[in-house]
Amino acid sequence: AQSVTQLGSHVSVSEGALVLLRCNYSSSVPPYLFWYVQYPNQGLQLLLKYTSAATLVKGINGFEAEFKKSETSFHLTKPSAHMSDAAEYFCAVSLQGAQKLVFGQGTRLTINP
Amino acid sequence: EAGVAQSPRYKIIEKRQSVAFWCNPISGHATLYWYQQILGQGPKLLIQFQNNGVVDDSQLPKDRFSAERLKGVDSTLKIQPAKLEDSAVYLCASSRTNTGELFFGEGSRLTVL
Repeated sequence: AQSVTQLGSHVSVSEGALVLLRCNYSSSVPPYLFWYVQYPNQGLQLLLKYTSAATLVKGINGFEAEFKKSETSFHLTKPSAHMSDAAEYFCAVSLQGAQKLVFGQGTRLTINP
Repeated sequence: EAGVAQSPRYKIIEKRQSVAFWCNPISGHATLYWYQQILGQGPKLLIQFQNNGVVDDSQLPKDRFSAERLKGVDSTLKIQPAKLEDSAVYLCASSRTNTGELFFGEGSRLTVL
């Protein structure tokens, strides 16, 4: 069965600093990988997805993630953090062609002024 | 296009009482999901529908939870009787077939006292 592990339940960075949120996956077959963001009292919103095309995926709000098969990783980055990036971020995996998403535990991102 | 609609947004009940949540997916989305998100955790899939048929309900506590999707459009999730550990946000999501991208509603927050 597929699964994801997010390293670090809380990450705090200064405004303007690099954001790096870590996600490692486990899957017996090539996966689809996703990053979702959840703002307080809201549902989840898709940031970006990897579906076996380009390994470097660009998403909304300046975020990007790189699929590294050798490291089974799909880390999320943003070069310069903005106060509005403060939220909970979830990494998720599904099998290719399947519709079921399995989510990680989430990482809460805090931005310091 | 209109997003996924859920109601009620908030519900407080006492243990052993019953509660029902309603979801209306995005028009044309064949797949509908109910996820349970306990505070501090990632969403966990409870049940997945394809049109009005159940695809996956392996993690649905069937002794107290039930869900239906009549006519393949909107859906209802019911809990009876509720337990303290059912306190969570219940997220509904929908997707087109075979895209792997889920669209989430804002969720229904349940507190069981």
